[in-house]
Amino acid sequence: AQTVTQSQPEMSVQEAETVTLSCTYDTSENNYYLFWYKQPPSRQMILVIRQEAYKQQNATENRFSVNFQKAAKSFSLKISDSQLGDTAMYFCAFMSQDSGTYKYIFGTGTRLKVLA
Amino acid sequence: NAGVMQNPRHLVRRRGQEARLRCSPMKGHSHVYWYRQLPEEGLKFMVYLQKENIIDESGMPKERFSAEFPKEGPSILRIQQVVRGDSAAYFCASSPTPGFYGYTFGSGTRLTVV
Repeated sequence: AQTVTQSQPEMSVQEAETVTLSCTYDTSENNYYLFWYKQPPSRQMILVIRQEAYKQQNATENRFSVNFQKAAKSFSLKISDSQLGDTAMYFCAFMSQDSGTYKYIFGTGTRLKVLA
Repeated sequence: NAGVMQNPRHLVRRRGQEARLRCSPMKGHSHVYWYRQLPEEGLKFMVYLQKENIIDESGMPKERFSAEFPKEGPSILRIQQVVRGDSAAYFCASSPTPGFYGYTFGSGTRLTVV
């Protein structure tokens, strides 16, 4: 069974600084997708960034980028130029392509606080 | 497009009552997923439905929980005879096709059992 581990329950960063959130996963599959979701206090899950496992190039979305290390099964999220609005819970998620149901397996989350 | 609409946003039930949670997917989305989030935890998959069909219910408790997604109307997650342990936030997500492009989530229903 696949598992997703986020080892940092809480982190904080100064506004305008850079922060990296860690995520590791375990799978025996070769075809899968990885995601980072943000959950602000409003509770809605917002997609931040996604990565296809077969692509070696790391995904980027504006201030958000990932460091995808397939052999190490690591998928960290880097937030550059942190803003107060980035304060939220961040969840790493795995999605199997082989299972056919495309359901997420989420980590337990990292609570990020951006300090003014 | 109003996004994925879940209602009610908050629901309080006494032990033994029934809870009905509704999810209206985005227009054109025929794939619906339900997830449960316990306090301070990540979301856990419950069930995956397409119109009128349950595709994967491997995350659903065997008793008291059921889900449907009829041809017309919203998807319903039904919990019979609720217990305190059912208190959680329940999220619905929808997609036109499942897979890489991810899903649009609703804002969730927070169920409190007293």
